[in-house]
Amino acid sequence: DTGVSQDPRHKITKRGQNVTFRCDPISEHNRLYWYRQTLGQGPEFLTYFQNEAQLEKSRLLSDRFSAERPKGSFSTLEIQRTEQGDSAMYLCASGKDRGSSGANVLTFGAGSRLTVL
Amino acid sequence: AQKVTQAQTEISVVEKEDVTLDCVYETRDTTYYLFWYKQPPSGELVFLIRRNSFDEQNEISGRYSWNFQKSTSSFNFTITASQVVDSAVYFCALTNTGTASKLTFGTGTRLQVTL
Repeated sequence: DTGVSQDPRHKITKRGQNVTFRCDPISEHNRLYWYRQTLGQGPEFLTYFQNEAQLEKSRLLSDRFSAERPKGSFSTLEIQRTEQGDSAMYLCASGKDRGSSGANVLTFGAGSRLTVL
Repeated sequence: AQKVTQAQTEISVVEKEDVTLDCVYETRDTTYYLFWYKQPPSGELVFLIRRNSFDEQNEISGRYSWNFQKSTSSFNFTITASQVVDSAVYFCALTNTGTASKLTFGTGTRLQVTL
């Protein structure tokens, strides 16, 4: 397996346009996470899926953001009516649910950098 | 609430120097996990280490070592004999077993190693 893939790596768009990012996780990982990273900051949690179920969304995820993982494999993150404040790196990560055995190690993709003009 | 503080924004060292990156965390949980990730210029976060709150043994992996001290809520990372390839942003992160491995990250420390 080649790890977590994200597409596109870079996206420049005008304010008000919609954008969609795709994430392909490691195939045997049942958990998938989206994080956002702005310049000079650490990644911030946005949402996560266990298989196809979206189990938690951060307050950072406004109504303009929607994420899906339709078949429990790849995931998409769509931002509608983009704003300049949405400019950031959007990171996807995947991991295996370890249940009560503790926290799993997340494998991150290289990210999708969004610039909103 | 959980919080991770990396007070050092940027560190510059000359190759072969030893360097320590500080991490201080806050959590009310008794069971938690601490991580270090490396983010090179390519952008991909690379996992370095995971440590659970019940294991305070220090760990060494090659030129890397970690010092976990619950008494001071710190999980510091030392690179011995630094190399140019160590130049990156390093993040400390925290999670507990009840949060589905959602990570709370610090703001990162940028390490610049020069010849």
